[in-house]
Amino acid sequence: DSGVTQTPKHLITATGQRVTLRCSPRSGDLSVYWYQQSLDQGLQFLIQYYNGEERAKGNILERFSAQQFPDLHSELNLSSLELGDSALYFCASSAQGGTEAFFGQGTRLTVV
Amino acid sequence: QKEVEQDPGPLSVPEGAIVSLNCTYSNSAFQYFMWYRQYSRKGPELLMYTYSSGNKEDGRFTAQVDKSSKYISLFIRDSQPSDSATYLCAMGSPSKIIFGSGTRLSIRP
Repeated sequence: DSGVTQTPKHLITATGQRVTLRCSPRSGDLSVYWYQQSLDQGLQFLIQYYNGEERAKGNILERFSAQQFPDLHSELNLSSLELGDSALYFCASSAQGGTEAFFGQGTRLTVV
Repeated sequence: QKEVEQDPGPLSVPEGAIVSLNCTYSNSAFQYFMWYRQYSRKGPELLMYTYSSGNKEDGRFTAQVDKSSKYISLFIRDSQPSDSATYLCAMGSPSKIIFGSGTRLSIRP
């Protein structure tokens, strides 16, 4: 168990809908990362938050947004969902930016 | 040019062989170097972490970093069928961690 908790584990929703994925980092970790992994694809970096502030952005679509709350948990919001958004979404946390990161088990999103 | 390049494989070797996995990177800002193992769509699991050039050993695993060449490697000795997984290299800077695309490894009994 990495100590990073993601909910829900599975999510099935229709095109055009909006969903929220939740991540609780390891105790004491200030940095949270979100990644997308499509079928047979590598991990695509979406966004990083550090202590409540956005630190870095990767290939995140404008339909997607994220935030990190004062208790350090983070949420990834995906809106106007398309079939191509179906993927595994992973959250990872680290004590500081860029150091070893620990992953949650992911949320499997299926858009139908 | 991608910031991190990793051969996707697949790589298939017999049990007991030494496995060599490699990545190259282009961004000199990377300070931390990691290897992760991912089993069948589970969350990646941290295997090795280092921040300096040279070798770091942990059991059957050895991570090697050459910052001058921007090249990192993971060696697995006495490979076992349970090592069959996707291995991802990762590079970290204070602002982000970037992953390679992963190498799919299969160890044949």
